[in-house]
Amino acid sequence: GAGVSQSPRYKVTKRGQDVALRCDPISGHVSLYWYRQALGQGPEFLTYFNYEAQQDKSGLPNDRFSAERPEGSISTLTIQRTEQRDSAMYRCASSRGTERNTEAFFGQGTRLTVV
Amino acid sequence: SQQGEEDPQALSIQEGENATMNCSYKTSINNLQWYRQNSGRGLVHLILIRSNEREKHSGRLRVTLDTSKKSSSLLITASRAADTASYFCATVDWKDWSSNTGKLIFGQGTTLQVKP
Repeated sequence: GAGVSQSPRYKVTKRGQDVALRCDPISGHVSLYWYRQALGQGPEFLTYFNYEAQQDKSGLPNDRFSAERPEGSISTLTIQRTEQRDSAMYRCASSRGTERNTEAFFGQGTRLTVV
Repeated sequence: SQQGEEDPQALSIQEGENATMNCSYKTSINNLQWYRQNSGRGLVHLILIRSNEREKHSGRLRVTLDTSKKSSSLLITASRAADTASYFCATVDWKDWSSNTGKLIFGQGTTLQVKP
């Protein structure tokens, strides 16, 4: 596609519900990243995929958070039993990955609000 | 986790003036990148500088890197109202680069307002 696409753009959910956030990276991009950004802060790393392999999940806050990229393209970030503190902008990024010094292309993000 | 600090946190200038933002980091890096974020929009890559480079230019942007001081600066010359945005530096650690994750660790950002 033309850019990184994330859906939904906005999600309001009740505390305790599970949510799934989707990321469709740029076609052919090997690397995929998930970030979380609180208002007025910089993006905080959550997890990284190289093709379908989740190579780094050190930023996931706890075991309620999980991510997958089963076919090396679309990725889903799942938050189980959501809590109010999970409210934030969730951003996905992808990069070519063939050279490790390459720019990341970010999607518009999913604004998650837990009420 | 966040890498380091950017300063100033906020900057307000008149159109046509130059804007300088600074970024400090804590670890040994492979490269440092600057991103811009307009209000309510996504992050857009501006420029990448490698650890063996000291200065890089792109249009009205000039980036410097001082690895001995673990700091970088972004200079925007002849600023325009459209440059109003938040600017973030992001680093790739050597250990992450070596393990081929290449993950970006962002700073807190500088909010720039350019008044017409």
